[in-house]
Amino acid sequence: NAGVTQTPKFRVLKTGQSMTLLCAQDMNHEYMYWYRQDPGMGLRLIHYSVGEGTTAKGEVPDGYNVSRLKKQNFLLGLESAAPSQTSVYFCASSYRPDGNTEAFFGQGTRLTVV
Amino acid sequence: GESVGLHLPTLSVQEGDNSIINCAYSNSASDYFIWYKQESGKGPQFIIDIRSNMDKRQGQRVTVLLNKTVKHLSLQIAATQPGDSAVYFCAESPSAGGTSYGKLTFGQGTILTVHP
Repeated sequence: NAGVTQTPKFRVLKTGQSMTLLCAQDMNHEYMYWYRQDPGMGLRLIHYSVGEGTTAKGEVPDGYNVSRLKKQNFLLGLESAAPSQTSVYFCASSYRPDGNTEAFFGQGTRLTVV
Repeated sequence: GESVGLHLPTLSVQEGDNSIINCAYSNSASDYFIWYKQESGKGPQFIIDIRSNMDKRQGQRVTVLLNKTVKHLSLQIAATQPGDSAVYFCAESPSAGGTSYGKLTFGQGTILTVHP
């Protein structure tokens, strides 16, 4: 059981380049999330999805887009990377956030924009 | 905007002591609260959760207390061990039916250091 898998694990981008981070979960979870974590700070929600085909903005959505075409996958896109987007990105999934079930996290993607 | 925050950014304890990590939340619509542990270089791991219709919930060596009157959440770790050293985050989710349903918001985090 792989749980939540993020690819890639590391990436260096030049300013203005685009890329897509892939999150895959094999637990049939309805909810999926993308967070960014900066040094000394907590996780800030970028976008989230409450089901296949739906997405919603979190706290810091600017500069990012997401898609949930399949239930098991949640993609995070950076159309034009900026140095301010240097961060560690975490994906998570949960069956339901309000039930007695936890959110499972991936191992993170460390992104550096130069 | 509404947020979840922590009182103390760092906490140092001796092995065997009990640890208490606190969290204040401001969203009165919050219905579900979770504590996570994050070790260096890893993603957060679930510790324990509690719903707003409860005041206390116990797990193995951990207890979460919820005081809705003052919007305060705490995590108690009994007989703290060096392996408990990590960053601890509280998170909250609003109740079903609200516009933010499904949104899971994290606090800043507290660094717990356990000295042998």
